[in-house]
Amino acid sequence: GNSVTQMEGPVTLSEEAFLTINCTYTATGYPSLFWYVQYPGEGLQLLLKATKADDKGSNKGFEATYRKETTSFHLEKGSVQVSDSAVYFCALSYSGAGSYQLTFGKGTKLSVIP
Amino acid sequence: NAGVTQTPKFRVLKTGQSMTLLCAQDMNHEYMYWYRQDPGMGLRLIHYSVGEGTTAKGEVPDGYNVSRLKKQNFLLGLESAAPSQTSVYFCASRLVGGGSISEQYFGPGTRLTVT
Repeated sequence: GNSVTQMEGPVTLSEEAFLTINCTYTATGYPSLFWYVQYPGEGLQLLLKATKADDKGSNKGFEATYRKETTSFHLEKGSVQVSDSAVYFCALSYSGAGSYQLTFGKGTKLSVIP
Repeated sequence: NAGVTQTPKFRVLKTGQSMTLLCAQDMNHEYMYWYRQDPGMGLRLIHYSVGEGTTAKGEVPDGYNVSRLKKQNFLLGLESAAPSQTSVYFCASRLVGGGSISEQYFGPGTRLTVT
């Protein structure tokens, strides 16, 4: 079956530090890959996405590249801000079942301190 | 345009009680989903619907029932609540088109505690 593994948290960084959150996946076929973000007390919001090998998704200074050879979709940001403190979820969507269900990783909590 | 809304926001139940969680979307989306979020577990799919009048089981369907009588609403029912159903419940919806890259839009969540 499909699965997503992302690095365990929590992660604590100082403002302006470089961020990497690792994500690897197992899937049959060719899934689409997503990063969702959950700010405290809120629902999930789409951060970025990619649909095929070597695609790069980007948004709000965050980037992730779909690497088929390593089955990875690592999230990066060059300079984090306090406002980036949130829980980040890596997810995949596979069309084979026709329902386009999302399979999520367990989430990585990021805290950015001034 | 309210997007995806969920009612109620919080609820406390005693073991054995029943309740219904309501999800509503005003984006004319065909697909709707119910997830539960537990610490250290990410989000897991409970049930989903690919259109009005249809429902299907997800990864963790036991103890829950759903109905999609109207396209804009997706109800999640707990017939006899158990402490293991203490969780945060999220509803999501998406368009039928766009393939697997089309995003899901999430509601704000319902925090349920079963004592």
